[in-house]
Amino acid sequence: AQTVTQSQPEMSVQEAETVTLSCTYDTSESDYYLFWYKQPPSRQMILVIRQEAYKQQNATENRFSVNFQKAAKSFSLKISDSQLGDAAMYFCAYRRDDKIIFGKGTRLHILP
Amino acid sequence: DTEVTQTPKHLVMGMTNKKSLKCEQHMGHRAMYWYKQKAKKPPELMFVYSYEKLSINESVPSRFSPECPNSSLLNLHLHALQPEDSALYLCASSQDTGSRGHPPLHFGNGTRLTVT
Repeated sequence: AQTVTQSQPEMSVQEAETVTLSCTYDTSESDYYLFWYKQPPSRQMILVIRQEAYKQQNATENRFSVNFQKAAKSFSLKISDSQLGDAAMYFCAYRRDDKIIFGKGTRLHILP
Repeated sequence: DTEVTQTPKHLVMGMTNKKSLKCEQHMGHRAMYWYKQKAKKPPELMFVYSYEKLSINESVPSRFSPECPNSSLLNLHLHALQPEDSALYLCASSQDTGSRGHPPLHFGNGTRLTVT
């Protein structure tokens, strides 16, 4: 069975600094997608970034980028130039076919 | 603004009540999902509808009854709930369930349900 592990329950970063959130997963499949979702206090789950497993190039979306290490089954999220609006719960997620499996989340605090 | 709309935003119901949660999307997505999220926990999958047919039921108690009247609408009928069912209920949609790729889910803002 697939599992997703986020080992950092909480993290803090100074505004304008860079922070990296960790995620590891376990699967025997070779074709899958990985996602990072953000859930602010408004509670909506917002897609931050996604990575196709067959692509070696790391995905980038503005200030957000990932470090995808397929062999190591690692999928970390880097947030550059952190902003107050980045404060939220961040969930790493694995998808293959019908199911999406979420990690337990990392609460990110932005310090002004 | 979210493209997946859930109503109501908040719901308080007694254990003998019958209520329904509603979800609507107009993105042409053919897969729709219900998730349950307890505080400080990740969302847990409840049901998946693919092309208006129930494709996954994650052993959810029968007091939760999903319905997909058409490709844009998804309901969750609630009856005889327990206080432990209090949670945030999230609806999501995606282009399909992954038979031709693994598209991301688009979530609504959720319904905060309290069972008294």
